[in-house]
Amino acid sequence: GAGVSQSPSNKVTEKGKDVELRCDPISGHTALYWYRQSLGQGLEFLIYFQGNSAPDKSGLPSDRFSAERTGGSVSTLTIQRTQQEDSAVYLCASSFTATNEKLFFGSGTQLSVL
Amino acid sequence: GQQLNQSPQSMFIQEGEDVSMNCTSSSIFNTWLWYKQDPGEGPVLLIALYKAGELTSNGRLTAQFGITRKDSFLNISASIPSDVGIYFCAGPGSSNTGKLIFGQGTTLQVKP
Repeated sequence: GAGVSQSPSNKVTEKGKDVELRCDPISGHTALYWYRQSLGQGLEFLIYFQGNSAPDKSGLPSDRFSAERTGGSVSTLTIQRTQQEDSAVYLCASSFTATNEKLFFGSGTQLSVL
Repeated sequence: GQQLNQSPQSMFIQEGEDVSMNCTSSSIFNTWLWYKQDPGEGPVLLIALYKAGELTSNGRLTAQFGITRKDSFLNISASIPSDVGIYFCAGPGSSNTGKLIFGQGTTLQVKP
């Protein structure tokens, strides 16, 4: 596609529920990244993919967080048993390759856990 | 770990004024990136810097890669209302990938 597409744009959920966030990167970009942005804060790295493999998952806050990428394209970030502290904007970005630092970001998913 | 500190945290200026913000690091970076985030959107890359001492412009924006490799500056000349947003500096972590470390951001407001 023309840009990085994320869905849903907004998600409100109850504490304890599972949520899935989707990212569709720019066509041809082999690297895909997930970041989290809490209110008034900078961006916090979560995980990145090169192709379908995830060389670096070091930013995932807990084992409730997982992500996968299939077909070298779409990625989903899953948060199980959501907690209120998971409320944030989840941003996805892609780049041509993992060694290219120029990231193109989607508009994010605003997650609110009540 | 590596950290980036941006200052000022926020700025409220009059349209037409020049703006200057900076970013400092506790360790050396080989690349500096400046992003802008509009409300409700993801960050957009403004300028990328790859060499110590490098000065790069993008329209009214000018950024410099500090000689020590531990700092960078972004200047905006003749600000306009659409310059409003959050400006982030970023640099690659030790892995030299798109796993970027971001500063906390400088929020810019412009009064028409």
